[in-house]
Amino acid sequence: KAGVTQTPRYLIKTRGQQVTLSCSPISGHRSVSWYQQTPGQGLQFLFEYFSETQRNKGNFPGRFSGRQFSNSRSEMNVSTLELGDSALYLCASSLTVPYLETQYFGPGTRLLVL
Amino acid sequence: KNEVEQSPQNLTAQEGEFITINCSYSVGISALHWLQQHPGGGIVSLFMLSSGKKKHGRLIATINIQEKHSSLHITASHPRDSAVYICAVISNFGNEKLTFGTGTRLTIIP
Repeated sequence: KAGVTQTPRYLIKTRGQQVTLSCSPISGHRSVSWYQQTPGQGLQFLFEYFSETQRNKGNFPGRFSGRQFSNSRSEMNVSTLELGDSALYLCASSLTVPYLETQYFGPGTRLLVL
Repeated sequence: KNEVEQSPQNLTAQEGEFITINCSYSVGISALHWLQQHPGGGIVSLFMLSSGKKKHGRLIATINIQEKHSSLHITASHPRDSAVYICAVISNFGNEKLTFGTGTRLTIIP
């Protein structure tokens, strides 16, 4: 079974631009969670989607948004990029409830904002 | 004070040594995860615990809910165990979301 895939793997943007990241979960998994990892703040939860609905959201500004499609693929969007948005963005999928079962992580998208 | 504290932050040991990484948390939780992150960023979920102890190969994870503490042990450590180990908790009130510790960087010297 293929693992979680994320595209693109690397991305360079400039301040003020917007970016869309994509995550394809393991086949059959319906929950997708997104995380941001920076050297200063470590790993932080962004949001979680299940069956096209956002179930939980972390403490990030409204510039961070996401969605999930009927095939469980998910995208996250960051608008009006700031230097501090430079980070590794990870998604993880699980069958149903992400926190009471194993999550499978993708390789991440490394975003650099100049 | 962070909700999840890990110790030590960095750990260097010789191959074959018994390794212990600690995780303390300050909130009531429904579950705790141990994750392993290799250089390059890839994260692997090692354990999900809500009570007691779990073992997988040379890895053992324990949790004491009353003391709000979990440990990850590695027996017969090997250089391929070199990675960052992260614990994460799910609080049992409010939104269900993972709150992460800052990680323990483990280096095993051959």
